[in-house]
Amino acid sequence: DQQVKQNSPSLSVQEGRISILNCDYTNSMFDYFLWYKKYPAEGPTFLISISSIKDKNEDGRFTVFLNKSAKHLSLHIVPSQPGDSAVYFCAASSGSARQLTFGSGTQLTVLP
Amino acid sequence: GAVVSQHPSRVICKSGTSVKIECRSLDFQATTMFWYRQFPKQSLMLMATSNEGSKATYEQGVEKDKFLINHASLTLSTLTVTSAHPEDSSFYICSARQTGLGLRHYNEQFFGPGTRLTVL
Repeated sequence: DQQVKQNSPSLSVQEGRISILNCDYTNSMFDYFLWYKKYPAEGPTFLISISSIKDKNEDGRFTVFLNKSAKHLSLHIVPSQPGDSAVYFCAASSGSARQLTFGSGTQLTVLP
Repeated sequence: GAVVSQHPSRVICKSGTSVKIECRSLDFQATTMFWYRQFPKQSLMLMATSNEGSKATYEQGVEKDKFLINHASLTLSTLTVTSAHPEDSSFYICSARQTGLGLRHYNEQFFGPGTRLTVL
C-alpha cells in the first residue's frame, strides 16, 4: 500500500503562473516532509522541507504547505519558469532512522 | 556543499556477472547512506539503509545476498549486484544523510546522480 501518494502524474502550467503540486499521506507517524526535483537520469535534488510542527515553509519561489488534519501537503512554485520543468517527488520520514518514503512523482511542464 | 557522487554513471554487463557501484559523500561525513532503485516512471524504492561500520538493513523483499552493501568509511558505501540478471536492470541511486546541529538542512538526505545498470 502506498503511504505517500501523488495522484497527478503530470501538470502543465504557463510560464509566470503558479504551479501547485499535491501530495497525500496515510501514515500519521510521518513527522517530516520534503520535496525533491528530479531530471531524467539524475538523482533527486532537495528543494524544500517542512516539519510537522509547522504548516508553512517558504524559500524563494517555493512554498510548502502542510495540512496535518487532512494528511495533505502541497508545493507552490511562483512564478513558474521553464527551468522548473522536471519530475517532483514528495517524501515523508519518521523515526530516528529518517528513512524516506517517496510518492510516485508529478511531471511538471512549464510552457513558455 | 553536500555533494554525493556515484560511480559508474552507466554500466552494461553480461548476465551472471557482478557489478559494484560506489557512492561517496564528497564534502561531508555520512554515518548513514541509503540505496534506492527506480524503475521507469515509478517512484524511488528504498532497498537498504547502510550504516558505517555495521551491517546494512534491508527492506522487505530485497535479497541481501544478491545486493551486497558495504559501508566501510564515513564517506563511502558500495552496492554490489551479484550474479546480475536482466531483471536487475534499473536505475540505482544512493543518498547520504548529513547530520549535525546548525546546518541548514539538518538530517536531510542528499542524492547521488544515479547509476544506470543494464544487464544483457
